[in-house]
Amino acid sequence: QQPVQSPQAVILREGEDAVINCSSSKALYSVHWYRQKHGEAPVFLMILLKGGEQKGHDKISASFNEKKQQSSLYLTASQLSYSGTYFCGTEVDNNAGNMLTFGGGTRLMVKP
Amino acid sequence: EAQVTQNPRYLITVTGKKLTVTCSQNMNHEYMSWYRQDPGLGLRQIYYSMNVEVTDKGDVPEGYKVSRKEKRNFPLILESPSPNQTSLYFCASSLYGGGTDTEAFFGQGTRLTVV
Repeated sequence: QQPVQSPQAVILREGEDAVINCSSSKALYSVHWYRQKHGEAPVFLMILLKGGEQKGHDKISASFNEKKQQSSLYLTASQLSYSGTYFCGTEVDNNAGNMLTFGGGTRLMVKP
Repeated sequence: EAQVTQNPRYLITVTGKKLTVTCSQNMNHEYMSWYRQDPGLGLRQIYYSMNVEVTDKGDVPEGYKVSRKEKRNFPLILESPSPNQTSLYFCASSLYGGGTDTEAFFGQGTRLTVV
């Protein structure tokens, strides 16, 4: 079952912040975040493992709330280069760990 | 350069004409998978492979076949394509499968149109 992402789309001005959420109905082992620019392949951002992690690099960070099976991606002081579609991918915590299931994506547009 | 290579990038074919989309990675990754991307539906997994000769169905396997005879190659086969298989396809690989802290590398995509 696909994780649910929200919002589906967001428009920002340069310098504004955004939060993208990803939630699952199943117990998760990990959450992956990827960004895809138009016409290109998805590119890896970060992975968060169960145990309640927070990670970040530059102005993009993420958290994983294991109890709620939710992850949030935080983009601060957004830049034009942040535009694209963001996908979360989840791995279910069932000891099989073989499938990465992606959400429907969040389209982010940063305007000057 | 570490990469996942898909071919062809674009393909228009007719209903029922068998086709193969190739995928090759040069990173000695064990895990490879195929996704299709449709508007509003995100990336849906078709098949995945944990290693050579080990493949398994993803969320939307109907109408597709795969094989993993060599570690580096993971072709996607459409025996009898239909218009509902018109989509953007991505191959991905990672060092290991799920349950490990490894990122997936994606190919550049294959845009398939079935008329």
